[in-house]
Amino acid sequence: DADVTQTPRNRITKTGKRIMLECSQTKGHDRMYWYRQDPGLGLRLIYYSFDVKDINKGEISDGYSVSRQAQAKFSLSLESAIPNQTALYFCATSENRDYGYTFGSGTRLTVV
Amino acid sequence: GIQVEQSPPDLILQEGANSTLRCNFSDSVNNLQWFHQNPWGQLINLFYIPSGTKQNGRLSATTVATERYSLLYISSSQTTDSGVYFCAVVFTGAQKLVFGQGTRLTINP
Repeated sequence: DADVTQTPRNRITKTGKRIMLECSQTKGHDRMYWYRQDPGLGLRLIYYSFDVKDINKGEISDGYSVSRQAQAKFSLSLESAIPNQTALYFCATSENRDYGYTFGSGTRLTVV
Repeated sequence: GIQVEQSPPDLILQEGANSTLRCNFSDSVNNLQWFHQNPWGQLINLFYIPSGTKQNGRLSATTVATERYSLLYISSSQTTDSGVYFCAVVFTGAQKLVFGQGTRLTINP
């Protein structure tokens, strides 16, 4: 099994729908992250969490929310999806601030 | 502002050629990683290299922290090396990984 698992791998949804992307990890790391990648761009941080009770906004959090259900689970929600949220979404964990970043395989989301 | 800049943005080479990818960063860093994103979108961690030199097969990387740059070398390129290469850093005092915009490498047979 992968260390960081994202579900679903691909999803097409309609404008205005609520959608949740899920991430689970077996690394035992406290720190988890959600990034977004748009074509031709690097990854940008949406939200990050340093433990179950510590959730922080990243540089592009508008239109998104997260839930840290347990140390191993970190979900990203789009409350009302819009087409410009079409992107590749990555979940990541890290051992500490500086070291051991591990990325999931990504979720390709299309909003039509 | 704080930035991670990668060059060149695109690189097209023939199989067997060598390549050098560069990453400049605007401030001191505690972490620097190189990733390869394959054509299926998966991010593969290549090196954790906040300073010094590391080698892994045909790939090697050097970070000169005092001059704020890192280089990724790929020797004897293969078509499977194609994809986008990202440099990402954790700036000193910051809490998260910041990515450059990547170098798209295409290796033609």
